[in-house]
Amino acid sequence: AQSVTQLDSHVSVSEGTPVLLRCNYSSSYSPSLFWYVQHPNKGLQLLLKYTSAATLVKGINGFEAEFKKSETSFHLTKPSAHMSDAAEYFCVVTELYSSASKIIFGSGTRLSIRP
Amino acid sequence: NAGVTQTPKFRVLKTGQSMTLLCAQDMNHEYMYWYRQDPGMGLRLIHYSVGEGTTAKGEVPDGYNVSRLKKQNFLLGLESAAPSQTSVYFCASRLLGSYEQYFGPGTRLTVT
Repeated sequence: AQSVTQLDSHVSVSEGTPVLLRCNYSSSYSPSLFWYVQHPNKGLQLLLKYTSAATLVKGINGFEAEFKKSETSFHLTKPSAHMSDAAEYFCVVTELYSSASKIIFGSGTRLSIRP
Repeated sequence: NAGVTQTPKFRVLKTGQSMTLLCAQDMNHEYMYWYRQDPGMGLRLIHYSVGEGTTAKGEVPDGYNVSRLKKQNFLLGLESAAPSQTSVYFCASRLLGSYEQYFGPGTRLTVT
């Protein structure tokens, strides 16, 4: 069975410091993994995706994530936080060729940026 | 190219009232989804559709019905609203063969 766990409900960092948002998953088959960002009162926007190609995935706005099968993790990182990064971030897992009902969202991590 | 749009953006209902939320996409996507978002619970799938004329239940379908009469539209209906249905509702669509979902801006529904 699929599941996804975002290990922190809230992360606060200072502007200019690194960001780490943690995501662990479980999947019976080959998973596809995604990170979405949601700014206040907005819809979700895709940040990056892993679909069995390179394990280090680069996304928009300087974010990247590394797929680590041995650790069943897909943590999101950014070297230097910007005030505009303050938002809610969702890790999503789905299985290749699965039906639509197997797209699983994590509970979200709220990222706050201190000036 | 408007992407995914949702109507209305806000709505307040009284318990027992009915309403329909409209989702429209202009990207010719085959798949469409309705989610609800509640604090601390991420997004949960209500219903989805893999093509015109077809719908299926997701994780939390009770109390909701859907229809997909046209490829570009996906309607979510609440026949008898309950306070437990107070939530933010998101529609999404994706192209067959792609795993990226495109989300609408959301509808904030309050049931009193």
